[in-house]
Amino acid sequence: IAGITQAPTSQILAAGRRMTLRCTQDMRHNAMYWYRQDLGLGLRLIHYSNTAGTTGKGEVPDGYSVSRANTDDFPLTLASAVPSQTSVYFCASSEEENSYNEQFFGPGTRLTVL
Amino acid sequence: AQKITQTQPGMFVQEKEAVTLDCTYDTSDQSYGLFWYKQPSSGEMIFLIYQGSYDEQNATEGRYSLNFQKARKSANLVISASQLGDSAMYFCAMREGRRTGGYNKLIFGAGTRLAVHP
Repeated sequence: IAGITQAPTSQILAAGRRMTLRCTQDMRHNAMYWYRQDLGLGLRLIHYSNTAGTTGKGEVPDGYSVSRANTDDFPLTLASAVPSQTSVYFCASSEEENSYNEQFFGPGTRLTVL
Repeated sequence: AQKITQTQPGMFVQEKEAVTLDCTYDTSDQSYGLFWYKQPSSGEMIFLIYQGSYDEQNATEGRYSLNFQKARKSANLVISASQLGDSAMYFCAMREGRRTGGYNKLIFGAGTRLAVHP
């Protein structure tokens, strides 16, 4: 593994179903993030984690939950998917104390909720 | 509240010419960072360039430069000698300051789609 991996690459999901998007990084970065990308809105932060064991809410957290049991993994769960959660989801990570904090992004997961 | 505005939904440029993509931001923090990312049609997000709020020189990275005008709160991306491979979506982003409690969080603009014509 090099960088950030996300799984699945794409998924079609029935409304009301539970879904977990997986994200793994091998850079030993402290901070990790989940964004959703929607046309005309750019990327919006869903949840973040500054270090293993801690998480925080971003701009659009409703309907999503995250956990950070260890440094490498940061899964995003949709407890009961709704069509408005159709989007492309990006996981990212950064060194927390790096002076310029470039975020490295995963390849994205395209999710369609019907 | 912090905000990033990209007023150009789409831009066209002739190959080998320079193009400027606009970005304005709003923040009450004194310490912040500004980033530009490129997203080609394949979907990945590629970091291009960074400018710190205390940096006195405009950032440059190869053909990319950032025209940072702090008083006007603008951070425009300039791409010199455009290439066909520059056709992509470009996002301006701002890192929130420590004072807001979310030091590493990025706020993104809506993006500008650049098309380079031969």
